Amino acid sequence: DTGVSQDPRHKITKRGQNVTFRCDPISEHNRLYWYRQTLGQGPEFLTYFQNEAQLEKSRLLSDRFSAERPKGSFSTLEIQRTEQGDSAMYLCASSPIDRGHEKLFFGSGTQLSVL
Amino acid sequence: DQQVKQNSPSLSVQEGRISILNCDYTNSMFDYFLWYKKYPAEGPTFLISISSIKDKNEDGRFTVFLNKSAKHLSLHIVPSQPGDSAVYFCAARNSGAGSYQLTFGKGTKLSVIP
Repeated sequence: DTGVSQDPRHKITKRGQNVTFRCDPISEHNRLYWYRQTLGQGPEFLTYFQNEAQLEKSRLLSDRFSAERPKGSFSTLEIQRTEQGDSAMYLCASSPIDRGHEKLFFGSGTQLSVL
Repeated sequence: DQQVKQNSPSLSVQEGRISILNCDYTNSMFDYFLWYKKYPAEGPTFLISISSIKDKNEDGRFTVFLNKSAKHLSLHIVPSQPGDSAVYFCAARNSGAGSYQLTFGKGTKLSVIP
């Protein structure tokens, strides 16, 4: 069990630039989630994949955000035209299909700073 | 509208004593509750959970109590150890539509003093 891997760990960008994050879930996990955590807050749900299908998106996920999981393995989260309000920790999590949606295995996150 | 509330941002406890972390919720549709622990520069890790049909679940030094009528749950750590120093998040699952997402509280930072 190598755990959930996220890349990069840190990203600094200028407002208006596009950024892309990658998440590699635990290999046998079919379910993949993206959460966002801002300073002083708990993680907030962004989106959920079961295999390659994106089954739900939060209203927090504006049109500038897009997530993919093309082959049901790794996932990418892209933010276009970044804004300072996008600065946050972006957390990826995975879970196996035979468990409920509760016990998630989180990666260490990607810390995004938009200047 | 915060559906899961952790009203204590921080808590300090002496090593060996009991730590009690509290969590309140407002949504009656929540049917499953969890506690996650987070160390700096790491993602949250699952600690313990409880179904709404139970009022207590125990795992080693960790016990979670659920009071459905009061919409309140608590995490007890006995005895507390310095390695328990972390941020603890309470989370809940909605039994209705959207049961794939967890709703988290803001967290309580626990400091266990040697």
